Amino acid sequence: EDQVTQSPEALRLQEGESSSLNCSYTVSGLRGLFWYRQDPGKGPEFLFTLYSAGEEKEKERLKATLTKKESFLHITAPKPEDSATYLCAVRGIDQTGANNLFFGTGTRLTVIP
Amino acid sequence: EAQVTQNPRYLITVTGKKLTVTCSQNMNHEYMSWYRQDPGLGLRQIYYSMNVEVTDKGDVPEGYKVSRKEKRNFPLILESPSPNQTSLYFCASSFDRGTGELFFGEGSRLTVL
Repeated sequence: EDQVTQSPEALRLQEGESSSLNCSYTVSGLRGLFWYRQDPGKGPEFLFTLYSAGEEKEKERLKATLTKKESFLHITAPKPEDSATYLCAVRGIDQTGANNLFFGTGTRLTVIP
Repeated sequence: EAQVTQNPRYLITVTGKKLTVTCSQNMNHEYMSWYRQDPGLGLRQIYYSMNVEVTDKGDVPEGYKVSRKEKRNFPLILESPSPNQTSLYFCASSFDRGTGELFFGEGSRLTVL
């Protein structure tokens, strides 16, 4: 069973068209949820850490929120330079009892001028 | 500038020819890790190291070896590469294993023929 599921797989937006990316997780004992941005041909770049339900973090046009089972990355009035793949990762306890960091497969965002 | 440096960035090799991908970080991080990234599968951990001379298997360690003789370096060794090891590899580091705030290298794209 996947520990972290991201949706949609791909998203195309017009410049200025706000939207949200979803990250749902099934691990228990959450030790943190992390958002990354990955540009083509580059390594992931850390954006946010969220630890508890109700927590929010903001950076420029991005805002990350967290509930008990999912996180949203809200993108307000996106620009073409926001085009990238956004990865979600969760640190928690899986079914085997291991404390690990689990990555989702990402949402590929394209913002059209 | 804080960075994680991987070499080579691109490599094409043949089955069975031993190769090493180097990784070096300049942030004095204790924790280092190797991931592979494949389409539809996301980032999967190969090996990690919590400190000098301390290494452990991740989720997909078969066919790989690592060593941590110095704090800054964490090379990934493929003793006898096979085509199923064709992938994009990332080295990452952080202050400790308990965080999900990782610094990633630029990636090494490996093709095994």
